[in-house]
Amino acid sequence: SQKIEQNSEALNIQEGKTATLTCNYTNYSPAYLQWYRQDPGRGPVFLLLIRENEKEKRKERLKVTFDTTLKQSLFHITASQPADSATYLCALDTNSGYSTLTFGKGTMLLVSP
Amino acid sequence: SQTIHQWPATLVQPVGSPLSLECTVEGTSNPNLYWYRQAAGRGLQLLFYSVGIGQISSEVPQNLSASRPQDRQFILSSKKLLLSDSGFYLCAWTPTSANEQFFGPGTRLTVL
Repeated sequence: SQKIEQNSEALNIQEGKTATLTCNYTNYSPAYLQWYRQDPGRGPVFLLLIRENEKEKRKERLKVTFDTTLKQSLFHITASQPADSATYLCALDTNSGYSTLTFGKGTMLLVSP
Repeated sequence: SQTIHQWPATLVQPVGSPLSLECTVEGTSNPNLYWYRQAAGRGLQLLFYSVGIGQISSEVPQNLSASRPQDRQFILSSKKLLLSDSGFYLCAWTPTSANEQFFGPGTRLTVL
């Protein structure tokens, strides 16, 4: 069955460092992969989308890579700030043709001053 | 600009009672609409999605149902709630021409 894995342990880093979060998947051939940010008690907020034929995507301090051979995506936040503290969710297209997604459980990022 | 609303924000219901959660989207037409549940310690689970009025696809078997009576209105219902229905319910929409989803503020449901 399809499976998405994100590190369940919180990632603690110091302000100014680069945070790297990992998303691994099995039994999938997604057309695209997305990353979302979720704050406690709030709905997820879309950050970036990367397609299967793209290796890397950037948006301001965010960078996403997508390796369809390794079945892995890496999500980087450079020059991290305490305001970046949140849970980050990886989501994959389910190939339904209707933009349906399967989400990972997310990784909590804590950036300390 | 587009906005998505959900209500109520929080709800406490007894086991066996009915449920109706509402989601509306403003500023767009013919969106794809989605209902998710996020239970404690679990990821977002897609429950239903709709690509048009009256059109509902169910992703998991359960005692919940969904309806789309108008283009920008999506309703999640249950005739009799179970304890396991407790969770954070999220509605989302996406333009038919795009893939990223935009989520509402959510409804926190506690079934006692």
